[in-house]
Amino acid sequence: GAVVSQHPSWVICKSGTSVKIECRSLDFQATTMFWYRQFPKQSLMLMATSNEGSKATYEQGVEKDKFLINHASLTLSTLTVTSAHPEDSSFYICSASIPADYGYTFGSGTRLTVV
Amino acid sequence: DAKTTQPTSMDCAEGRAANLPCNHSTISGNEYVYWYRQIHSQGPQYIIHGLKNNETNEMASLIITEDRKSSTLILPHATLRDTAVYYCIGTGGGSNYKLTFGKGTLLTVNP
Repeated sequence: GAVVSQHPSWVICKSGTSVKIECRSLDFQATTMFWYRQFPKQSLMLMATSNEGSKATYEQGVEKDKFLINHASLTLSTLTVTSAHPEDSSFYICSASIPADYGYTFGSGTRLTVV
Repeated sequence: DAKTTQPTSMDCAEGRAANLPCNHSTISGNEYVYWYRQIHSQGPQYIIHGLKNNETNEMASLIITEDRKSSTLILPHATLRDTAVYYCIGTGGGSNYKLTFGKGTLLTVNP
């Protein structure tokens, strides 16, 4: 149980375009979801926390106008990388807190390459 | 989140127990100790978490010292597929808390 599905698993886009990444909780309602970014050989860095029905809370240094997060339902959160540039190329991972359990479950990640 | 310290890397022979240490001397009374692992290019996988008592599940055992300043994750019979980066994280549980990842320990299981 407590599965999070993340799509796409990989995407290549041209510089200047926008890319949307979806994160769905399949068998539970995720009131809170988290978005991370991971560069090669580095650890996961938290970008933002999204709560269903409210604005996301961004970590210091993360541009909220560039990384748009929408959490409109209890089972879906999306991250849109707007006007992507090569430096946005990274591994993006979503996570959700599991209700009635103090655990967290993660998506399988999205490899974004901006060319 | 509590600051955690882990060795950068460890090696273990296949079939032997892997014992991964973690120091979390600043952990507060209501913060859990979580362990996750990440196999290359995948999302982190939950292993186990605990508050005060030792915990065991089908994957591993978690031994937390009485003063809660450190813990050890034990993989009883390591396999090659257990090669991964293991993260120890101290944080309150639930939606009001977030997981902040440190650098973790790269465990390499050797044949």
